[in-house]
Amino acid sequence: GENVEQHPSTLSVQEGDSAVIKCTYSDSASNYFPWYKQELGKRPQLIIDIRSNVGEKKDQRIAVTLNKTAKHFSLHITETQPEDSAVYFCAAEARTGTASKLTFGTGTRLQVTL
Amino acid sequence: GAVVSQHPSRVICKSGTSVKIECRSLDFQATTMFWYRQFPKKSLMLMATSNEGSKATYEQGVEKDKFLINHASLTLSTLTVTSAHPEDSSFYICSAGSFYEQYFGPGTRLTVT
Repeated sequence: GENVEQHPSTLSVQEGDSAVIKCTYSDSASNYFPWYKQELGKRPQLIIDIRSNVGEKKDQRIAVTLNKTAKHFSLHITETQPEDSAVYFCAAEARTGTASKLTFGTGTRLQVTL
Repeated sequence: GAVVSQHPSRVICKSGTSVKIECRSLDFQATTMFWYRQFPKKSLMLMATSNEGSKATYEQGVEKDKFLINHASLTLSTLTVTSAHPEDSSFYICSAGSFYEQYFGPGTRLTVT
């Protein structure tokens, strides 16, 4: 099955700096890669996603890049703000027959300090 | 975006009892819902895929007789933890929607004493 690895597990940056979180996946057939933000005690919220037919997608301060050949994708947050502090999960689509499911990375705890 | 609710948000039960958790899609119909389990400071682990009108598909290592899933309508899936034990204490989250647009419920924190 699909295996998703995520690094780093914790990341501390100063307000205004950039943050980068990286993920790798194992199933070359995966073609959908979402990123979720989860604040303490709350539900995961989709913040950005990318499909395999594009290499990069940007939404204001957030961008995601995908390298299908190397099977890795990254989340980039620019001009970080304290409210960006949360746990971020990457995920990759895994297909088993006609069914699809998301396999999540282990999460990155991002702390934005003043 | 679509709204998914879960009930209850928190539950404490005694060891050996059963607990039912409900997951509802409030403003859309969901033929498929997913149940996840999340341990403190850990990732979301898919437990099972709930299919409306048919049996759930369980992930490897998840006991189907212990975690009963029922998806009787297009807006409701239930997860019943039977004969709960302290090791079942966890945060249980459901999600619903089309595959490329999964919306998560707020989660249910289960504590088994």
